[in-house]
Amino acid sequence: AQSVTQPDIHITVSEGASLELRCNYSYGATPYLFWYVQSPGQGLQLLLKYFSGDTLVQGIKGFEAEFKRSQSSFNLRKPSVHWSDAAEYFCAVGLSGYALNFGKGTSLLVTP
Amino acid sequence: EAQVTQNPRYLITVTGKKLTVTCSQNMNHEYMSWYRQDPGLGLRQIYYSMNVEVTDKGDVPEGYKVSRKEKRNFPLILESPSPNQTSLYFCASSSERRDRDYEQYFGPGTRLTVT
Repeated sequence: AQSVTQPDIHITVSEGASLELRCNYSYGATPYLFWYVQSPGQGLQLLLKYFSGDTLVQGIKGFEAEFKRSQSSFNLRKPSVHWSDAAEYFCAVGLSGYALNFGKGTSLLVTP
Repeated sequence: EAQVTQNPRYLITVTGKKLTVTCSQNMNHEYMSWYRQDPGLGLRQIYYSMNVEVTDKGDVPEGYKVSRKEKRNFPLILESPSPNQTSLYFCASSSERRDRDYEQYFGPGTRLTVT
């Protein structure tokens, strides 16, 4: 069965520290991969996406993600976290444009 | 401005009272979807539509209906809402064209409470 796993429900990092959020998927073919961010009380904002080509993808707000086919992973990274990055992060995976399979989300807390 | 709009943004209703949440997009997208978001469960797809008059069930369709009579609109209908449908609902649209990267554009969300 197709699935998306975000192993970390909550992550706490200090402001200025690096961040990595994990995403693993199980699909029969290489899917399209997305990371979305949701700030408290807000909607979903696309951070970045991967379809093909260079496996290191740059997104908005200084985020990047690396697709690793051998590990079925698409981990999100940021070298230096800001307090404004505190939010819920969702990995989403799909084989088409009309259905995305979302992970359960990782809640990021940033401490001073 | 390219956008997906939803109305209402907030709704409190009682069990059994039929309601409709509207969704409209101005990007001429073929695909539209409804998701619900619940704490600890992420977003789960309720229904999707590939074009006018073409709809299909997602992962959690029970208790919901949809229709796609016009390309820009995709309303979500709860014929007899129940408390377990209290949730945050998102509408999304995307292009069928792969060169548009299948990016889904999300509406701002509708917070529904059923008492």
